[in-house]
Amino acid sequence: DTEVTQTPKHLVMGMTNKKSLKCEQHMGHRAMYWYKQKAKKPPELMFVYSYEKLSINESVPSRFSPECPNSSLLNLHLHALQPEDSALYLCASSQRENTEAFFGQGTRLTVV
Amino acid sequence: LAKTTQPISMDSYEGQEVNITCSHNNIATNDYITWYQQFPSQGPRFIIQGYKTKVTNEVASLFIPADRKSSTLSLPRVSLSDTAVYYCLVGLNSGYSTLTFGKGTMLLVSP
Repeated sequence: DTEVTQTPKHLVMGMTNKKSLKCEQHMGHRAMYWYKQKAKKPPELMFVYSYEKLSINESVPSRFSPECPNSSLLNLHLHALQPEDSALYLCASSQRENTEAFFGQGTRLTVV
Repeated sequence: LAKTTQPISMDSYEGQEVNITCSHNNIATNDYITWYQQFPSQGPRFIIQGYKTKVTNEVASLFIPADRKSSTLSLPRVSLSDTAVYYCLVGLNSGYSTLTFGKGTMLLVSP
């Protein structure tokens, strides 16, 4: 199984809502990542988890809160987002930091 | 972080070989070079990784000259389905910078 599964595929939320994005992998990878990608731009690294501990936070606003409950799961909790946060959110995993990464299909988020 | 420079876009025709060059003048001794492919509204997909000389797998070849200041991704006999954005990443194999994406090259393959 070389899949990274992200749910939901699409999400529309209001600026006062609280929602969560989920990411799951069963490849035994110990590094997991969240990226944000706007249209026609490259993916932008947000967070890196290594062995279930947050190792990189690329100065992401606190309205984005990552969580790694176990080695297979990665969540991104969203609260009080702005319309400019609308984007494709990608999750990835790798055996350890910076080896070949496998990406999920992403969650298309629209903030209204 | 080693900065990468790629052409913004390239055009090709089906059946041709495509070479995409990436410049990385300040590559460090321990840095690896990795290429990813991305289709619209999908996550990037790993294509190939190398450190020096030539690496080949079932989908592509990666050529790295001795000075390692550039690299060339070679796609043999492209098809319409190879139309995608191709990203060159440079960084330590044990440091997060290998997963920091540059601007990428949009490859358009026409019939």
